[in-house]
Amino acid sequence: EVQLVQSGAEVKKPGESLKISCKGSGYSFTSYWIGWVRQMPGKGLEWMGIIYPGDSDTRYSPSFQGQVTISADKSISTAYLQWSSLKASDTAMYYCARPLTTSRDAFDIWGQGTMVTVSS
Amino acid sequence: SYELTQPLSVSVALGQTARITCGGNNIGSKNVHWYQQKPGQAPVLVIYRDSNRPSGIPERFSGSNSGNTATLTISRAQAGDEADYYCQVWDSSTASVFGGGTKLTVL
Repeated sequence: EVQLVQSGAEVKKPGESLKISCKGSGYSFTSYWIGWVRQMPGKGLEWMGIIYPGDSDTRYSPSFQGQVTISADKSISTAYLQWSSLKASDTAMYYCARPLTTSRDAFDIWGQGTMVTVSS
Repeated sequence: SYELTQPLSVSVALGQTARITCGGNNIGSKNVHWYQQKPGQAPVLVIYRDSNRPSGIPERFSGSNSGNTATLTISRAQAGDEADYYCQVWDSSTASVFGGGTKLTVL
């Protein structure tokens, strides 16, 4: 079964760092892009960026460039989303997702989401 | 950057047809994907590349795309179709964007 399993919920303080993960299984992890999507409480989906684990080619939405870092470790089939200094406005659900095909396509496989809460 | 415009809400009577639009500049030249999201759940792909249904998605869901508007059509609407719906396109080879989302209410 193809699936993406994300790390658990996090509660952090402003200024702290954080790295959440998304582990792929049931398919060739290095052959498919992995995207990250933010959903703030009560709001819509926002496309953050994508990474190609095969060569770590990474692209960011202009809104998130410089705010987060997307990476991947193909040896353990895991993609990451990282913050160096969290803000209260980073409080959101974060989803990873895999496209239908090996190109940039519709996301047909989604992780269960990781809730990140940033509060003092 | 490319923008997608969706109505905030759409209402439909039980058993009738709901149409949710997604507007964008010359969106007809792009592949449009649609997602359904129910409260507390991850999004689910319901239409890809304008009009294709993934396996497991009822035939009641269909899509079209032309000019500046793409449309998700839900026929014979059921209570279980109540959800938020989002359209998505790839703006370029490197960037993607979601519409703001539409809340579907089945009356």
